[in-house]
Order: sequence, then structure tokens, then C-alpha cells
Amino acid sequence: AQTVTQSQPEMSVQEAETVTLSCTYDTSESDYYLFWYKQPPSRQMILVIRQEAYKQQNATENRFSVNFQKAAKSFSLKISDSQLGDAAMYFCAYMEYGNKLVFGAGTILRVKS
Amino acid sequence: EPEVTQTPSHQVTQMGQEVILRCVPISNHLYFYWYRQILGQKVEFLVSFYNNEISEKSEIFDDQFSVERPDGSNFTLKIRSTKLEDSAMYFCASSVGRVTGNTIYFGEGSWLTVV
Repeated sequence: AQTVTQSQPEMSVQEAETVTLSCTYDTSESDYYLFWYKQPPSRQMILVIRQEAYKQQNATENRFSVNFQKAAKSFSLKISDSQLGDAAMYFCAYMEYGNKLVFGAGTILRVKS
Repeated sequence: EPEVTQTPSHQVTQMGQEVILRCVPISNHLYFYWYRQILGQKVEFLVSFYNNEISEKSEIFDDQFSVERPDGSNFTLKIRSTKLEDSAMYFCASSVGRVTGNTIYFGEGSWLTVV
């Protein structure tokens, strides 16, 4: 079964600085999808960004971008110009055939003012 | 922006009681899901539902769980006889279709506490 590993239980960043959250995954598939979801204290799961494995170009959404390294099976999230509202739990997720998401354990991001 | 809505936001129930969690998926979405997150643990897939039948279910989704689309808008998760270990946040989600890669949109979750 596919697995997703987030090796950083907790990260801190100063407001306006940049932070990178790590994610690795294990799969034998060549076509798949990767996602980052944000879970603020309200506990809602909010989509941050998605990446299609067959696309070499890294996805970007405003201050959020990914570094997708397919050979290394790595999918890190970079948050630029961090804001207080970015403080949340961030989950990396892999999408299997049939649209089932497999989540990592999550990384708590703290933003210091 | 359209969103998935869930009710109740929080429910406390006695062990052994039946619970129904309700969800209204995004209106043009056809593929529905339930996920579960026990406090402090990973978000786990429970079940997916398409065309009025279960597409896939996990090992967690045993006989005490059932899902239903009773009308054109609601999607429900029923837990027949709750156990203490069923205490968790339950997320409903939906996607446009069943094509792999369709983005899955989550609701705000229903927090279930079994006492």
C-alpha cells in the first residue's frame, strides 16, 4: 500500500519569512496526484495546492509552491511571506486510483509575530 | 464558493446508541466520501460512494457503518451501535467525478464524542 511520510511533526517560522514542509511518499505507480491540505484550529480541511505527477512543472498558488521531485518521491511545500493565518496543521496526501486519498501524519506550523 | 456542509458540528452520544451524520455535498459533484480523524492521528479514508452505491470501503468501515443518499442533496453516515473508539472527527467530502485526480473538497467536519 502507498504510504506518505511527513518527518517534521512541528515547524516554526517568523512572520514574513519562508518555510518549507517536507513530504515523501512511496508508490509503484507512474501517474498519480499529490495534495497539500491545511487544517486550522477550526479543523476544516482546506485544499492548499495540488500536483499532477505527469507534469514536470511545480505547482504554485500565490504564496504557496511545491518542489516535486518524482524520482526521489518527494513533495515539499514552500510557504513564502508567512502570515499569522498560515498557522495550522498541514497534511500531505497522495491520491490513489479511484480517488482515495492517503494522508501523512501532518506537520504543525507555528507562525511567530 | 460552493462548499460541503455537515451537520451536526459536534455530537455527544452514549455508547451503544445510533448516530447519523449528515452532509450536503457540492451540488454538481457526483462522488462522495467519508473520512475519519481520531484526535492526534492521521486522516483515514472510510468509504467512497458513487451512483447510489459504495465504490470502495476501508477495513475501518465494518458492519456497524452504513452510508446512504436518501434524497437528491443529502449524504449520510450511520453508525449503528457506537463504541468509545468511534470518537473522532468525521469529514464528508465530494468531488466532481470518479476520475482519478479530481480534487476532493472537504466539509468542516462533525466531531463525535462517545461517552
